[in-house]
Amino acid sequence: DAKTTQPNSMESNEEEPVHLPCNHSTISGTDYIHWYRQLPSQGPEYVIHGLTSNVNNRMASLAIAEDRKSSTLILHRATLRDAAVYYCILRAANTRGSNYKLTFGKGTLLTVNP
Amino acid sequence: GAVVSQHPSRVICKSGTSVKIECRSLDFQATTMFWYRQFPKQSLMLMATSNEGSKATYEQGVEKDKFLINHASLTLSTLTVTSAHPEDSSFYICSAREGNVMNTEAFFGQGTRLTVV
Repeated sequence: DAKTTQPNSMESNEEEPVHLPCNHSTISGTDYIHWYRQLPSQGPEYVIHGLTSNVNNRMASLAIAEDRKSSTLILHRATLRDAAVYYCILRAANTRGSNYKLTFGKGTLLTVNP
Repeated sequence: GAVVSQHPSRVICKSGTSVKIECRSLDFQATTMFWYRQFPKQSLMLMATSNEGSKATYEQGVEKDKFLINHASLTLSTLTVTSAHPEDSSFYICSAREGNVMNTEAFFGQGTRLTVV
């Protein structure tokens, strides 16, 4: 699987935007970029994913570089409940449609200050 | 969104006993479920992939006779930690995805905190 690189930790203030970077220089053409986050003592939850175009949903936005070698997860207004470990994961499109698995790196621990 | 439920959320057992953890997809059919293990301050490590009606596929280094996985229906997979020892104490998390649709998100259970004493 192609590897991703994220900062170990980041800090933000409440109600300010947060930009969480992810480098994936060895991404292949069919790799989707997925973001999950894990709140303390909980299982991960899906945040967003994309392939080439920028994506928006109710939780966040995903900005993907034109060469796809990096991406940025954007939380538009951080809240205390957004404090979590954020994982950027590449997932290959699998033509069989099953058994593709998520490989978690260390992620970025986001601290949100009140 | 879809819900994956794990039970129990927390269990303490004696060394040498077995513990069963259940993972249920509540509102969708999951042909594939994944079991992860997470030690304190570490990331999730995939243990095995569970397929409904067939044998699980284990990751390298994971003992299949110690971590028994059964995926008997499209909504239930179980992980049994046999002859548990203190080093098996960890946070176990299951994940499921719906059918064979490509590029859908994975849904995770809330995790099971296992403590072996």
